Amino acid sequence: DTEVTQTPKHLVMGMTNKKSLKCEQHMGHRAMYWYKQKAKKPPELMFVYSYEKLSINESVPSRFSPECPNSSLLNLHLHALQPEDSALYLCASSQPGQLEKLFFGSGTQLSVL
Amino acid sequence: KNEVEQSPQNLTAQEGEFITINCSYSVGISALHWLQQHPGGGIVSLFMLSSGKKKHGRLIATINIQEKHSSLHITASHPRDSAVYICAVEGGGNKLVFGAGTILRVKS
Repeated sequence: DTEVTQTPKHLVMGMTNKKSLKCEQHMGHRAMYWYKQKAKKPPELMFVYSYEKLSINESVPSRFSPECPNSSLLNLHLHALQPEDSALYLCASSQPGQLEKLFFGSGTQLSVL
Repeated sequence: KNEVEQSPQNLTAQEGEFITINCSYSVGISALHWLQQHPGGGIVSLFMLSSGKKKHGRLIATINIQEKHSSLHITASHPRDSAVYICAVEGGGNKLVFGAGTILRVKS
């Protein structure tokens, strides 16, 4: 199994809503990543978890709250988002320090109204 | 100036043509990655290079560390190669810095 599964694939939410994005992998990877990608732009790193601990936070606003409940799961909790947060949110996984085998999910396309 | 610059931004080729996409970077790196992104989001890792050259099927990637430059070549291009090709550099600490991408369209 070399898949990173993200759910939902599409999400529309209002600025007062609370929602969560989910990412799952069963490759035994111990590093998991959240990226944000605006249309026609490259992905931007948001968070990195290494061995289930947050190791990198790229100065992301607190309305984005990551969680890594176990080695297979990565969540991104969303609250009070702004329309400019509309983007494709990509999850990825690898072994720590082994970006050669970096696997991406298909992403969640988020629209904030 | 971005740390990672790709050229061209857009490329249209006829099926069968030889294609080259270039990547230049301005920082010290431990490795350089080439990735492919199809419409709809999915990103696939194509190569990781720290020196020399790698080949996989019709794809060839080269890197010149002294010149801080890498190229991705596609031989005998096919419409299914149409995608965004992204160069990313790895400076350490599980972080990749991405270039802006090259949008490739191969016409039949």
